[in-house]
Amino acid sequence: NAGVMQNPRHLVRRRGQEARLRCSPMKGHSHVYWYRQLPEEGLKFMVYLQKENIIDESGMPKERFSAEFPKEGPSILRIQQVVRGDSAAYFCASSLGTNNEQFFGPGTRLTVL
Amino acid sequence: GDSVTQMEGPVTLSEEAFLTINCTYTATGYPSLFWYVQYPGEGLQLLLKATKADDKGSNKGFEATYRKETTSFHLEKGSVQVSDSAVYFCAPGDRGSQGNLIFGKGTKLSVKP
Repeated sequence: NAGVMQNPRHLVRRRGQEARLRCSPMKGHSHVYWYRQLPEEGLKFMVYLQKENIIDESGMPKERFSAEFPKEGPSILRIQQVVRGDSAAYFCASSLGTNNEQFFGPGTRLTVL
Repeated sequence: GDSVTQMEGPVTLSEEAFLTINCTYTATGYPSLFWYVQYPGEGLQLLLKATKADDKGSNKGFEATYRKETTSFHLEKGSVQVSDSAVYFCAPGDRGSQGNLIFGKGTKLSVKP
């Protein structure tokens, strides 16, 4: 049973470009969470999704960031017009349900030049 | 809102020393409590968990007890190894937000031979 998969593992973008981060949850998991880890910081919750629904996006920046979890395919975290401050590790986690254990992917390390 | 306070690092210990990493939280109700570990360059792995008061989570020689009266979930290990060097995160589940995790800043542990 494959774990949570994220790709790419490393992503380099220039300021103003778009970044797309993908997350495939564990088989059977329909709950996906995105977290951001800035250098030397803990993880900060961004968004919680179930299939085709955003349940909680209280941690998402108001502009340039969006997330989706379509009926088919991986969850996507999209960052438009990236800035240097977006450089961070972005982790995805999945779970069977609310308040169940979350399993984390290896993360995508975004570098904005 | 819910929050977690974790002992600041870095913590440097000699092999076979006793480890304690303090964690206290504020939360609405009684959340599940988790300790995650992040090895260098990797994603987070669940180390142990407790779901109700007085529960003790344990794994790989690590232990933590859910103390409702002191709202604490301190991590302990009787004899650390070099391979335990990592960053440790305390994370209560935020029931108010339907299950996302609230992470502390993490405590970096370095174990010297």
